[in-house]
Amino acid sequence: DVKVTQSSRYLVKRTGEKVFLECVQDMDHENMFWYRQDPGLGLRLIYFSYDVKMKEKGDIPEGYSVSREKKERFSLILESASTNQTSMYLCASSTPGSGNTIYFGEGSWLTVV
Amino acid sequence: QKEVEQNSGPLSVPEGAIASLNCTYSDRGSQSFFWYRQYSGKSPELIMSIYSNGDKEDGRFTAQLNKASQYVSLLIRDSQPSDSATYLCAANSGYSTLTFGKGTMLLVSP
Repeated sequence: DVKVTQSSRYLVKRTGEKVFLECVQDMDHENMFWYRQDPGLGLRLIYFSYDVKMKEKGDIPEGYSVSREKKERFSLILESASTNQTSMYLCASSTPGSGNTIYFGEGSWLTVV
Repeated sequence: QKEVEQNSGPLSVPEGAIASLNCTYSDRGSQSFFWYRQYSGKSPELIMSIYSNGDKEDGRFTAQLNKASQYVSLLIRDSQPSDSATYLCAANSGYSTLTFGKGTMLLVSP
């Protein structure tokens, strides 16, 4: 089974803090993604990466950056957290070999106060 | 703007009935379609994928695709209370990315 692990499940951060959300997948998938999910807005793509050190902006990249130094690891960075970034963040991975089916991690609940 | 539209629901069905969930998509270039189930407070989990026109069956689930009408549906036979969840429809929208609908909430009453 595909395993996508988000190490931080529940975080509370203060406005202005730098926040790191880490994600690791164990299936050697080329593609990795960060989404956020908010009530009424659904899943929105923040950034994705299709190779090590490669990144592409999604639909809502403002206020976020990402890092992919190793194939299995994809980090989301909030440079200066704001209250409107309170959300559930979902990491995911996929590979063309499985029809680009996206598999999600368990999610990270971030509250910015 | 590529969009996937779903009725937000809730769709209420009695236990044992067939639940029918529908989705339309805007991008005619989409080739792959997916249904995910999401329980409250949990992450989405894949139920089915479909790539060709017609029906695809997996246990109690049947996905249907009509590319001419840009329409995807999911039928759940013999619905169970444990099927109560939000169902997300997704279509591929470019290199390896998916566009998701906002989901339909399904409530199955005992």
